[in-house]
Amino acid sequence: EAQVTQNPRYLITVTGKKLTVTCSQNMNHEYMSWYRQDPGLGLRQIYYSMNVEVTDKGDVPEGYKVSRKEKRNFPLILESPSPNQTSLYFCASSPTGSVGYTFGSGTRLTVV
Amino acid sequence: EDQVTQSPEALRLQEGESSSLNCSYTVSGLRGLFWYRQDPGKGPEFLFTLYSAGEEKEKERLKATLTKKESFLHITAPKPEDSATYLCAARALNAGNNRKLIWGLGTSLAVNP
Repeated sequence: EAQVTQNPRYLITVTGKKLTVTCSQNMNHEYMSWYRQDPGLGLRQIYYSMNVEVTDKGDVPEGYKVSRKEKRNFPLILESPSPNQTSLYFCASSPTGSVGYTFGSGTRLTVV
Repeated sequence: EDQVTQSPEALRLQEGESSSLNCSYTVSGLRGLFWYRQDPGKGPEFLFTLYSAGEEKEKERLKATLTKKESFLHITAPKPEDSATYLCAARALNAGNNRKLIWGLGTSLAVNP
């Protein structure tokens, strides 16, 4: 089944404890993005990647890092999480970026 | 500034009561208008892409249309399983390598049996 898989689905952590949210797609898509979704603010792009080893900042990159060492994987790293990073996070992929994205099921992160 | 505005914010319908959701956009050279459906706690699910004014696309009870200023998602004889938040997003000419989408805040649709 074609899909984007994120893990974990739920995560509660403490301020400053480094964490990684994994994302993997099995569709050989070139474009991948990370979004966060907050009430009243909608979906905001954190980082995107056009292909292996090609990544760039989206609208809200502060406090996040990404890497794209393999085409299928695009992990999101929070080196020192803070409470304002509590949010619902989505990974998404697209063949070219010009057509519809396939989204993962989401990771609900709480930073206390 | 590029912007996408959806209305209404929330809509409650009786089963079988047809209606339309609106997505108004202000972007520099539209390169695609996207509709997604999002169920609570889940990722958005892609529905349609429209590229030019006058274009229409259909899927089951949903039909999306596009003009030069807005897009409509028409829902014909909705069923309770159509309850979800419907998101629209626009891609502008100047999206660059990012192919960045400008997202609306969504319309939350509830269909009562």
